[in-house]
Amino acid sequence: DAGVIQSPRHEVTEMGQEVTLRCKPISGHNSLFWYRQTMMRGLELLIYFNNNVPIDDSGMPEDRFSAKMPNASFSTLKIQPSEPRDSAVYFCASRQGVYYEQYFGPGTRLTVT
Amino acid sequence: AQKVTQAQTEISVVEKEDVTLDCVYETRDTTYYLFWYKQPPSGELVFLIRRNSFDEQNEISGRYSWNFQKSTSSFNFTITASQVVDSAVYFCALTEAGGSEKLVFGKGTKLTVNP
Repeated sequence: DAGVIQSPRHEVTEMGQEVTLRCKPISGHNSLFWYRQTMMRGLELLIYFNNNVPIDDSGMPEDRFSAKMPNASFSTLKIQPSEPRDSAVYFCASRQGVYYEQYFGPGTRLTVT
Repeated sequence: AQKVTQAQTEISVVEKEDVTLDCVYETRDTTYYLFWYKQPPSGELVFLIRRNSFDEQNEISGRYSWNFQKSTSSFNFTITASQVVDSAVYFCALTEAGGSEKLVFGKGTKLTVNP
């Protein structure tokens, strides 16, 4: 089975531009998570969905960040406008059930210049 | 509130040495789940093990073993006869059954295995 798929794997953009990160969870998994990883802050949970519904977005840094999950097989994380401090690796993860392990995608390395 | 502490920031060993990575957790829940993940230099996060709070049996998988002790709130990870390929950052994590569904990670321990 395919794992969690993320695209793009690398994104370089200029400050002020809109960035959209994409994620396809493992088929049959009903929870999806977006994380951000930086050296300074480690792994941070941004938002998660259960059955396509956003449950907790308290980790979203500010209004520039938004996430959607229009169906069970696709989610996006959008940053508009992007800033250099948004540079990080963004991971998407999915989970079969509440107390099961999360499986992570390969991540998107975002660089905002 | 749930918390995971990995006191060892970095560990360096020579190949074939045994190494133990410490993980101490805090939770008010009686039912919870503990996890270990590996992040090699390539960057992906790889799931290693899940353990629930009612199962204190130690687990062994090849050169990997895990020691879960509720009395000390610890879930330590031992690699026997370490190899260069074990070099990675290892994260311990916790989810409470009765609270938030979030997975709370420790800061990670960077393990370097030298040839």
